[in-house]
Amino acid sequence: SQELEQSPQSLIVQEGKNLTINCTSSKTLYGLYWYKQKYGEGLIFLMMLQKGGEEKSHEKITAKLDEKKQQSSLHITASQPSHAGIYLCGADQGSSASKIIFGSGTRLSIRP
Amino acid sequence: NAGVTQTPKFQVLKTGQSMTLQCAQDMNHEYMSWYRQDPGMGLRLIHYSVGAGITDQGEVPNGYNVSRSTTEDFPLRLLSAAPSQTSVYFCASSDPQGYYGYTFGSGTRLTVV
Repeated sequence: SQELEQSPQSLIVQEGKNLTINCTSSKTLYGLYWYKQKYGEGLIFLMMLQKGGEEKSHEKITAKLDEKKQQSSLHITASQPSHAGIYLCGADQGSSASKIIFGSGTRLSIRP
Repeated sequence: NAGVTQTPKFQVLKTGQSMTLQCAQDMNHEYMSWYRQDPGMGLRLIHYSVGAGITDQGEVPNGYNVSRSTTEDFPLRLLSAAPSQTSVYFCASSDPQGYYGYTFGSGTRLTVV
């Protein structure tokens, strides 16, 4: 079965600095999802990537899927306290979105 | 627009008791899933469904049952609660294309003593 590995597991960043979170798959990714979870709350969908080399942005967050479709990165520019939380990547287990598995998450803290 | 509604939000069970976690969505999504989240382990898929009458096992199905009699509802049953089932449970739903990702409920925090 497919496994997703996220790195780093946790990250403390000075406010205003940039940061990158990585998600590596043991198999080719059909669809890769990025979510954010505030502590003690549900997950919020950020973006989905499907095509090799695809890149999407939302406000100060950019996600990329590599050409081989086995690795994705999430980049935050000029971090703010509102970016703090847990970031999770998820992947389709097949060609549809019926079965999504997740990585273990990256806990992001922003230092004022 | 309610989205995905989970009840209850908190529950304490004694070992051996059974209970049902409720999940309802009002977006007419075909796909629904149940996950559990434990500290440091991300989300693990328990069971999922691609439509009414169709369910399948995820990564950690043991000790849980599901059914999907309607598109809207996807209850999760704990047959005989064990302390290892202490966790936060999330229900989620999506359309088949998944372009907008899964919509998650706010979770049920379950403690088994």
